[in-house]
Amino acid sequence: DADVTQTPRNRITKTGKRIMLECSQTKGHDRMYWYRQDPGLGLRLIYYSFDVKDINKGEISDGYSVSRQAQAKFSLSLESAIPNQTALYFCATSPGHNYGYTFGSGTRLTVV
Amino acid sequence: GESVGLHLPTLSVQEGDNSIINCAYSNSASDYFIWYKQESGKGPQFIIDIRSNMDKRQGQRVTVLLNKTVKHLSLQIAATQPGDSAVYFCAENLGGGADGLTFGKGTHLIIQP
Repeated sequence: DADVTQTPRNRITKTGKRIMLECSQTKGHDRMYWYRQDPGLGLRLIYYSFDVKDINKGEISDGYSVSRQAQAKFSLSLESAIPNQTALYFCATSPGHNYGYTFGSGTRLTVV
Repeated sequence: GESVGLHLPTLSVQEGDNSIINCAYSNSASDYFIWYKQESGKGPQFIIDIRSNMDKRQGQRVTVLLNKTVKHLSLQIAATQPGDSAVYFCAENLGGGADGLTFGKGTHLIIQP
């Protein structure tokens, strides 16, 4: 099994719909992250969490929300999806500050 | 705002040659840097990291150099192989307890046979 598992792998949804992307990890790490990847823009941080009770906004949090249900689970929600949220979304974990991240395989989201 | 950037969007090298991918960063408060490799359809994969108290770090076939004076980071790949074809990202982490890597836009490394 992968260290970081993201579901679904691909999703097409309609404008205005609510959608949740899920992430689970088996690394036992406290820190989890959600990134968005767009062509030509690299990866940009949406939200990050240091533990279940600690959620922090990243560079582009508007239009997104997150939930840290357990140490191993961190989900990303789009309350009302819009077409410019079409992107590749990655979840990642790390054991602490200034350690490398382990990324999931990504969720390709298309909003039509 | 300050950001991490890359000099070249595409780099083409002959198989067996050495590759050098460059990255400029502008935030002098950054204290940790990482290189990631991303193959098509996959998530970024950790290659090598370096902390700001170091100038050079070597791994298997890869070397990262950090020049804090000119805020420059480079990744050297020795004896490039076809499997090295990918997009390479540099990323930085700010010091002072802030978290969340800031990524550059990526360089696409193409290996010519």
